[in-house]
Amino acid sequence: AQTIHQWPVAEIKAVGSPLSLGCTIKGKSSPNLYWYWQATGGTLQQLFYSITVGQVESVVQLNLSASRPKDDQFILSTEKLLLSHSGFYLCAWSRDSDYTFGSGTRLLVI
Amino acid sequence: QQQVRQSPQSLTVWEGETAILNCSYEDSTFNYFPWYQQFPGEGPALLISIRSVSDKKEDGRFTIFFNKREKKLSLHITDSQPGDSATYFCAASEGNYKPTFGKGTSLVVHP
Repeated sequence: AQTIHQWPVAEIKAVGSPLSLGCTIKGKSSPNLYWYWQATGGTLQQLFYSITVGQVESVVQLNLSASRPKDDQFILSTEKLLLSHSGFYLCAWSRDSDYTFGSGTRLLVI
Repeated sequence: QQQVRQSPQSLTVWEGETAILNCSYEDSTFNYFPWYQQFPGEGPALLISIRSVSDKKEDGRFTIFFNKREKKLSLHITDSQPGDSATYFCAASEGNYKPTFGKGTSLVVHP
């Protein structure tokens, strides 16, 4: 069975500090991977997607970056957090199927 | 440009009633329409989906009605239960690639 794991579960970070969020998919080879951002009670905003290792496409510019160092790993990061980065970050995968979302990372920037 | 619209933004029903959540889209190339259910603090989970070749898809208490000509679809939740209280997202895509999500409908079912 495929599993998707996001880490950390939650973070409280200071404005201007760096951030790294991770996502790992097990049990599926060459999945399409996605990062989404969701404000509290808000819509799902796609941030990045990746079809293969080393390739990442940006959908919106939010002073964030993403990387796919391994087939099963997707990283979201920034060197300087903004207050507006607070929210719920979701990783998702798909491959000839529907999207499967991870359990998310809750980020609060103070 | 919002390609997928959902209404109402929020909906409250009593236990046992039928909740109707609406969705419309603009892009005529969309042919796949999944609905996702999200509970607070969790990621969305696929609930039910329909392809444009069908006009109805049923799974237990959840039914999608699809009108291709009007580019509209609706999710009907019959015999609503308090455990159905969640946010429901309609999505649309051409195939399964990069769906466009609506803004969601927050459903509250009162016992």
